[in-house]
Amino acid sequence: AQKITQTQPGMFVQEKEAVTLDCTYDTSDPSYGLFWYKQPSSGEMIFLIYQGSYDQQNATEGRYSLNFQKARKSANLVISASQLGDSAMYFCAMRRDSSYKLIFGSGTRLLVRP
Amino acid sequence: EADIYQTPRYLVIGTGKKITLECSQTMGHDKMYWYQQDPGMELHLIHYSYGVNSTEKGDLSSESTVSRIRTEHFPLTLESARPSHTSQYLCASSGLPGQGTNQPQHFGDGTRLSIL
Repeated sequence: AQKITQTQPGMFVQEKEAVTLDCTYDTSDPSYGLFWYKQPSSGEMIFLIYQGSYDQQNATEGRYSLNFQKARKSANLVISASQLGDSAMYFCAMRRDSSYKLIFGSGTRLLVRP
Repeated sequence: EADIYQTPRYLVIGTGKKITLECSQTMGHDKMYWYQQDPGMELHLIHYSYGVNSTEKGDLSSESTVSRIRTEHFPLTLESARPSHTSQYLCASSGLPGQGTNQPQHFGDGTRLSIL
């Protein structure tokens, strides 16, 4: 069975510092995709970054980068130079098999301290 | 910015009422999804559609039903609301026809439903 695990229910980071949010996954499918979403307290889900299982390089989008370690089945999100507006829930998700459906982890609540 | 809209944003209503949550997108995506999310918890897929007249149940059993008569519209209906239906409902869409599975899902702002 495919599964996403986020082991950090909550994290604190000082403004302007970098933070890593952990995500491990379990799948037997050779082809899969990994996504990170941000959910502010207002409730909407904001797409941040995508990594395909065959991508050779780690994905980057502005201050977001994905530390993809395929052998360890981990896809950690790195946020550089944290800002107060980064305070939110962060969800890791995996596209399963050959479908368009996603399964989500339980999320990590990040709080950026001024 | 993704163009996917959900109404209402908030709904407080009594038990036994029929409810329809609206979801529309203007991106031409053929794939649409409904998720249910309790506060601070993960999202659970309850319905999805890969095109007009195509609907499937998701992983979490739900008493709600959906329809997909037009590409851009994917409403969710509860025939008789109960307090156990209290939750946030998020609609999403992804991918133009023919695009691969690496396309992200774009979400609406959600509907926070409270059944008294």
